[in-house]
Amino acid sequence: DVKVTQSSRYLVKRTGEKVFLECVQDMDHENMFWYRQDPGLGLRLIYFSYDVKMKEKGDIPEGYSVSREKKERFSLILESASTNQTSMYLCASSLGQVRPYEQYFGPGTRLTVT
Amino acid sequence: AQSVTQLDSQVPVFEEAPVELRCNYSSSVSVYLFWYVQYPNQGLQLLLKYLSGSTLVKGINGFEAEFNKSQTSFHLRKPSVHISDTAEYFCAVSVDSWGKFQFGAGTQVVVTP
Repeated sequence: DVKVTQSSRYLVKRTGEKVFLECVQDMDHENMFWYRQDPGLGLRLIYFSYDVKMKEKGDIPEGYSVSREKKERFSLILESASTNQTSMYLCASSLGQVRPYEQYFGPGTRLTVT
Repeated sequence: AQSVTQLDSQVPVFEEAPVELRCNYSSSVSVYLFWYVQYPNQGLQLLLKYLSGSTLVKGINGFEAEFNKSQTSFHLRKPSVHISDTAEYFCAVSVDSWGKFQFGAGTQVVVTP
């Protein structure tokens, strides 16, 4: 079974702090994604990566950056957390162009910025 | 650009009754369509997908969906729900060959005895 793990289920940070959210997948997937989930808005793509050190902006990249130094790990960075970044963050991975269409999700990190 | 509209934000349903969740998409090109389920405090799990072939797609847990190209719809159905089907359901459409998705806003299904 594919496993996508996220470093924390719940996180509370203060405004202005630098925040790291980590995601690890164990199935050698090429593609990895970061979404945020807000009530009534569904999932919105923040960034995605299709290879090590490769990244592309999604629909809402402002205030975020990412890092992918190893194939299995994709980190989301909030450079200076703000209260409007309070949300559920979901990481996902998929195999790549062979089977790009099946995304596997982690359990999510609920981030509260106070 | 593709967009996905889930027409109901919440659907209350009695146990053992049928349920239909509506999803419409807009796209000028061929699409791949998905339904995901999110149980409380969990990530998303794939229910079913349409890539090509038969327009009636069967998924896990007794769910099925029908792709209707002329109506640009991909409605999800289950003939008899259980309490354990209480969850949020998301419709999604692929937007490129890399596997990026556009998600709908979600439909909360609440099953009561």
